[in-house]
Amino acid sequence: QQQVKQSPQSLIVQKGGISIINCAYENTAFDYFPWYQQFPGKGPALLIAIRPDVSEKKEGRFTISFNKSAKQFSLHIMDSQPGDSATYFCAASPSGTYKYIFGTGTRLKVLA
Amino acid sequence: NAGVTQTPKFQVLKTGQSMTLQCAQDMNHNSMYWYRQDPGMGLRLIYYSASEGTTDKGEVPNGYNVSRLNKREFSLRLESAAPSQTSVYFCASSVAGRGNIQYFGAGTRLSVL
Repeated sequence: QQQVKQSPQSLIVQKGGISIINCAYENTAFDYFPWYQQFPGKGPALLIAIRPDVSEKKEGRFTISFNKSAKQFSLHIMDSQPGDSATYFCAASPSGTYKYIFGTGTRLKVLA
Repeated sequence: NAGVTQTPKFQVLKTGQSMTLQCAQDMNHNSMYWYRQDPGMGLRLIYYSASEGTTDKGEVPNGYNVSRLNKREFSLRLESAAPSQTSVYFCASSVAGRGNIQYFGAGTRLSVL
């Protein structure tokens, strides 16, 4: 079974700090790597995504870094805010499909 | 524009009872999905439908059946509910093809006693 491993399970960051969440995958045949954000009682929503032909993608305070040789990708949240407190999921899409395999999630809390 | 709508939002069942979770999308998407979310397990794919008229098993299909009623609707049925099926269920949809964004509903929280 293809897997995506996510860490840490939980993270506490001070307001204004940098939040970093890491994911690693075990199969090279993935071609799309989205990150989803989920608030309590809500469904996940796409935050940012990257394809393996680029090493970094930035959207506002959110950046994905992608290391194809290490089979790792990470989410960086700059200037973290209390409103960023949520659960974050990384995912990977097997090549040639539109299915996602999700990581186990990271619960982020940003202290005011 | 409602997006992906799931009903019911909450449900309590007794072991052995059956029920159907409903999902409808109004975005004219071709593909639809059912996931379950459990603490520490992330989101796991139960079944998906690449297009109207087709369905395929995902990672954890045992104990579930699905019906792609039309392009808009994709239902998930539990024939004989078990406590292990206590979970939060999410429906999602996407335009068919590689790397397309999946849009999720708000979820159905199911407890099986």
